[in-house]
Amino acid sequence: AQSVTQPDIHITVSEGASLELRCNYSYGATPYLFWYVQSPGQGLQLLLKYFSGDTLVQGIKGFEAEFKRSQSSFNLRKPSVHWSDAAEYFCAVGARNTDKLIFGTGTRLQVFP
Amino acid sequence: DTAVSQTPKYLVTQMGNDKSIKCEQNLGHDTMYWYKQDSKKFLKIMFSYNNKELIINETVPNRFSPKSPDKAHLNLHINSLELGDSAVYFCASSQNTGARDTQYFGPGTRLTVL
Repeated sequence: AQSVTQPDIHITVSEGASLELRCNYSYGATPYLFWYVQSPGQGLQLLLKYFSGDTLVQGIKGFEAEFKRSQSSFNLRKPSVHWSDAAEYFCAVGARNTDKLIFGTGTRLQVFP
Repeated sequence: DTAVSQTPKYLVTQMGNDKSIKCEQNLGHDTMYWYKQDSKKFLKIMFSYNNKELIINETVPNRFSPKSPDKAHLNLHINSLELGDSAVYFCASSQNTGARDTQYFGPGTRLTVL
């Protein structure tokens, strides 16, 4: 069965600094991979997704993520963080033979001015 | 226009009561979901429906009963509420079934059982 690990529960960065949020998955084949963001009191919004092809995917709000098969990772990056990026970030995995998304436990991002 | 809406946003109730949460999507999607997010932010799927037909039914107590009167609505009824049911419940929708389809989430309903 597939699983997702987000090793960092909480990350704090200064505004303008670069950001990398880690995501590792377990699945026998190439899964569908997603990053969602949850702002306080809000539902989840899709940032980006990877199905196949180019391993570097661009998303909304200046985010990108890179799929690395050898490391079973799909890390989220942003070159310069804005205060409005403070939120909870979830990585999710979808298996190609199921209808389910499996979510990681999330990484809470705090941004200091 | 809100794509996926849920009512109520907050729900506080006593143990043993029965309550319902409503969800509506105006995206024209065929598939709808219910997720539960616990106090540690862990998000887990409970149910999914495609064209009013139950597709996914995770190991959820049978006190939870989803009802889909039409493709645009998926309501969640909970009988005999327990303390452990306290959580945020999210409704979501996608165009089709399949993990490939992007899911669009509602704002959530925070349920507190006293």
